[in-house]
Amino acid sequence: DTGVSQDPRHKITKRGQNVTFRCDPISEHNRLYWYRQTLGQGPEFLTYFQNEAQLEKSRLLSDRFSAERPKGSFSTLEIQRTEQGDSAMYLCASSQQGLAGGEQFFGPGTRLTVL
Amino acid sequence: GQNIDQPTEMTATEGAIVQINCTYQTSGFNGLFWYQQHAGEAPTFLSYNVLDGLEEKGRFSSFLSRSKGYSYLLLKELQMKDSASYLCAAYQAGTALIFGKGTTLSVSS
Repeated sequence: DTGVSQDPRHKITKRGQNVTFRCDPISEHNRLYWYRQTLGQGPEFLTYFQNEAQLEKSRLLSDRFSAERPKGSFSTLEIQRTEQGDSAMYLCASSQQGLAGGEQFFGPGTRLTVL
Repeated sequence: GQNIDQPTEMTATEGAIVQINCTYQTSGFNGLFWYQQHAGEAPTFLSYNVLDGLEEKGRFSSFLSRSKGYSYLLLKELQMKDSASYLCAAYQAGTALIFGKGTTLSVSS
């Protein structure tokens, strides 16, 4: 396992379309996180899973955002009815609960551009 | 509330030492992380402090004072490749990392 992977790396879409991103964590990690990062800012926490349970989702930016991790392995983040303000880098990270206070390993990100 | 403050930009020369400060106010605080992020890339882990004191790791060291809500990252023997954004992040128990906006460090020869 070479680390956290994300697909696609880049996505260009038109306003109003739905988009879905995938994240594959490090295989032995039971926690998976989604962040959003805009230019000049640090990553902003959106949601996280422990195994298949979504333990925190109050930070999702609106009800247009949703995430799943159906079998406790890969996860998807969906944005419905995209808006130009959704343009950002979407980062996924994974960690093993109990190790180093939750040191998180980040994937390369999916850069979303909404036209 | 939650607040992470760090300087926006810093400059230094090769071979020098630089200290990047971070102050935080976070409920449920359970540790302080530093990440490095090169432009267009994902953040990579540098250090983690949960107890007060200094943690040294090669050219990088990190310090934490929980009572003061303060941390710093110390980079020694700076190299050009250290030019990057340095992110301070407070770990909230039971949730996730709360990041600051990052400090962009420029190292010149």
